[in-house]
Amino acid sequence: EAGVAQSPRYKIIEKRQSVAFWCNPISGHATLYWYQQILGQGPKLLIQFQNNGVVDDSQLPKDRFSAERLKGVDSTLKIQPAKLEDSAVYLCASSATDNNSPLHFGNGTRLTVT
Amino acid sequence: GESVGLHLPTLSVQEGDNSIINCAYSNSASDYFIWYKQESGKGPQFIIDIRSNMDKRQGQRVTVLLNKTVKHLSLQIAATQPGDSAVYFCAESTGGGNKLTFGTGTQLKVEL
Repeated sequence: EAGVAQSPRYKIIEKRQSVAFWCNPISGHATLYWYQQILGQGPKLLIQFQNNGVVDDSQLPKDRFSAERLKGVDSTLKIQPAKLEDSAVYLCASSATDNNSPLHFGNGTRLTVT
Repeated sequence: GESVGLHLPTLSVQEGDNSIINCAYSNSASDYFIWYKQESGKGPQFIIDIRSNMDKRQGQRVTVLLNKTVKHLSLQIAATQPGDSAVYFCAESTGGGNKLTFGTGTQLKVEL
């Protein structure tokens, strides 16, 4: 089975610019997650979708971050405007259910904000 | 690629030895636990999971032990191989959901 696909692989932008990341989950996986991983730390959940609805966005900085999954399949995460502290790897994951099933991660997008 | 292991605790083992990676969690209500392996430049890869109604679970060359009394989780890797070199994260969730909270990670280095 194909894994979680993410693009781009790398992105370098200046602060105050905007950026968008794309994710295509494993086919049939209803639950999709975006995580932020700062260098040297474990991933931190930003937002969780169940189909096209948001389940949890309590840790998403909504003044600058937004995410959507309009058709319940692929998803985009946007940052506008970016700050230096947003430099991180943005990981997308999907799971078959939202109940004690393993998350399968993509390889992430490494964002550098200068 | 840039390592995800900077500033992380490091465990060095000889090839062929057994490895034990430990993880302490703080939420006594956590009921689902997962170990992930993350190689440089890649996303976390699922290794093994365990639910709170169990205290041990075995996979291929890996065993996870859960001690709920002291809120401790460990991952044992048998006959460690060079390909096992990576950062290992434990993660937990509560209430049957999949909102995972990750630990800080341990860098495993396998010496030939």
